Amino acid sequence: NAGVMQNPRHLVRRRGQEARLRCSPMKGHSHVYWYRQLPEEGLKFMVYLQKENIIDESGMPKERFSAEFPKEGPSILRIQQVVRGDSAAYFCASSPQVNEQFFGPGTRLTVL
Amino acid sequence: QKEVEQNSGPLSVPEGAIASLNCTYSDRGSQSFFWYRQYSGKSPELIMSIYSNGDKEDGRFTAQLNKASQYVSLLIRDSQPSDSATYLCAVNPGGFKTIFGAGTRLFVKA
Repeated sequence: NAGVMQNPRHLVRRRGQEARLRCSPMKGHSHVYWYRQLPEEGLKFMVYLQKENIIDESGMPKERFSAEFPKEGPSILRIQQVVRGDSAAYFCASSPQVNEQFFGPGTRLTVL
Repeated sequence: QKEVEQNSGPLSVPEGAIASLNCTYSDRGSQSFFWYRQYSGKSPELIMSIYSNGDKEDGRFTAQLNKASQYVSLLIRDSQPSDSATYLCAVNPGGFKTIFGAGTRLFVKA
């Protein structure tokens, strides 16, 4: 049973470009969470999704950030017009219910 | 007051000793509590979950929960250098969101 998969593992973008991060949850998991982590800091909740629904996006910046979890395919975190402050590790986690979460390896975004 | 508080450390213990990691939370109605281990540059890994007052043991790890005092702790017996990592306390206050503490860095000296 494969774990949570994220790609790409490393992403480099120039300021103003778009970053698209993908997350495939564990088999049988219908709950997906996205977190951001800056160096030497804790995990910051961004958004919680179930299939085709955004349940809680209270941690997501109002502008430039969006997330989706379509009926088919991975969950996508999209950052438009990236700025240097967006550089961070972005982790996806999945769970079978609203409880224990299992994390993917993360995508490390660097904005030049 | 932060929702989930941990001492950032670093906590340094000699090999073979007991490492004690503590966490307090603010939402008295919280029901689910978790400990994650995160090695530098890696993703968090779930090591313990606890839902009721008392102790829960799993190998060298023991989680302790005291809801009246709103704290949860993690004990690591016979600490090994490979236990050196950041330990994240996480609390689900009910609903969809799990709140993570900033983590405690643990160093186990050989």
